[in-house]
Amino acid sequence: DTGVSQNPRHKITKRGQNVTFRCDPISEHNRLYWYRQTLGQGPEFLTYFQNEAQLEKSRLLSDRFSAERPKGSFSTLEIQRTEQGDSAMYLCASSSQGAKNIQYFGAGTRLSVL
Amino acid sequence: QQPVQSPQAVILREGEDAVINCSSSKALYSVHWYRQKHGEAPVFLMILLKGGEQKGHEKISASFNEKKQQSSLYLTASQLSYSGTYFCGTEDAGGTSYGKLTFGQGTILTVHP
Repeated sequence: DTGVSQNPRHKITKRGQNVTFRCDPISEHNRLYWYRQTLGQGPEFLTYFQNEAQLEKSRLLSDRFSAERPKGSFSTLEIQRTEQGDSAMYLCASSSQGAKNIQYFGAGTRLSVL
Repeated sequence: QQPVQSPQAVILREGEDAVINCSSSKALYSVHWYRQKHGEAPVFLMILLKGGEQKGHEKISASFNEKKQQSSLYLTASQLSYSGTYFCGTEDAGGTSYGKLTFGQGTILTVHP
């Protein structure tokens, strides 16, 4: 068990560019969540996967955001045409269905949009 | 709607106790508590389930009042390592949330020698 891994740890991009983040969950976990955290706030839910199926997406999430989890393993979160308001920490968490849904978080990817 | 945590910040001396509260306007299935240090991932502390209470750490315990949709985290004999921001994450009752957590705004705990 190596924990939840996220890459890259930091990303600086110019407004209008596309960015992609990767999350590798704990290997036996079938549930995967993406959250966004801004300074001084708690994590905010973005989307959820059970195995490879994306079962829920926040209504607050712009169409510029898309996530995938091919084969139910790692997941990617893509933001198209980034805006300065997208600057935040993007956190990934995984859990095992049936294990009280205890979510284990990765260290996150910090995005800065210039 | 996110749960409300109180207080927003606490300053302690080593050995002192603290209580952090989390209150929701929704019926809850579970409450999860996390601690986050600056620049690091939130670390799971404990979970409290509807109909039960679970203690996760030796000197950290919690309670869950289902009727009032409130939870409290108790830190006793605080240590320097307890410093960080504490978040409660709530899971709505009803079985349709897929385990999604809604987090409070956090409580900053600082422990001084």
